[in-house]
Amino acid sequence: AQSVAQPEDQVNVAEGNPLTVKCTYSVSGNPYLFWYVQYPNRGLQFLLKYITGDNLVKGSYGFEAEFNKSQTSFHLKKPSALVSDSALYFCAVRDLNYGGSQGNLIFGKGTKLSVKP
Amino acid sequence: EAGVAQSPRYKIIEKRQSVAFWCNPISGHATLYWYQQILGQGPKLLIQFQNNGVVDDSQLPKDRFSAERLKGVDSTLKIQPAKLEDSAVYLCASSLEASGFQETQYFGPGTRLLVL
Repeated sequence: AQSVAQPEDQVNVAEGNPLTVKCTYSVSGNPYLFWYVQYPNRGLQFLLKYITGDNLVKGSYGFEAEFNKSQTSFHLKKPSALVSDSALYFCAVRDLNYGGSQGNLIFGKGTKLSVKP
Repeated sequence: EAGVAQSPRYKIIEKRQSVAFWCNPISGHATLYWYQQILGQGPKLLIQFQNNGVVDDSQLPKDRFSAERLKGVDSTLKIQPAKLEDSAVYLCASSLEASGFQETQYFGPGTRLLVL
């Protein structure tokens, strides 16, 4: 069965420093991986996805993610954190076994990112 | 381009009452999803529609939850009767169907339900 794990409940970073939010996955086929961000009282906003090709994927708001097949990881990164990046971040994998031709998303439990001035 | 719309944004009810949530997906998106997000957890799929047909409802508690998508556009999710453990945020998402597994799901703002 497909699954994702976000090992950190919270990540604390100082503004201007690089940030990493970790995600590992388990799939029985090709991995289709996604990152979403959720601000308080808001829905999920799409940041980026890995489908195939380059292992470094660039997304919205200066975020990028590195796909590592050997380590089954898809860590979210940003070179210089902003206070406004403080939010809840979710990693997700496409479920290839359910949901017909598209599959639904299986989400991790989320990582709270706190960026201090 | 307008995003996924949901209403109401907040709802407070007492247990055993019924409640309904509405979702209007992005125009042209054939696939619509309802997720339940309990506090401190990631969203979990309840039901997936493609046009007006159900693709996956294996995780929908059918004794109390129901959903429909008439005419393949708007969708309604209903809970009857509600239980305390139904307190959660209910998220609606939609996507194109053209590229299958590669398609991105776009989420609405959610409806926050509190059952007292």
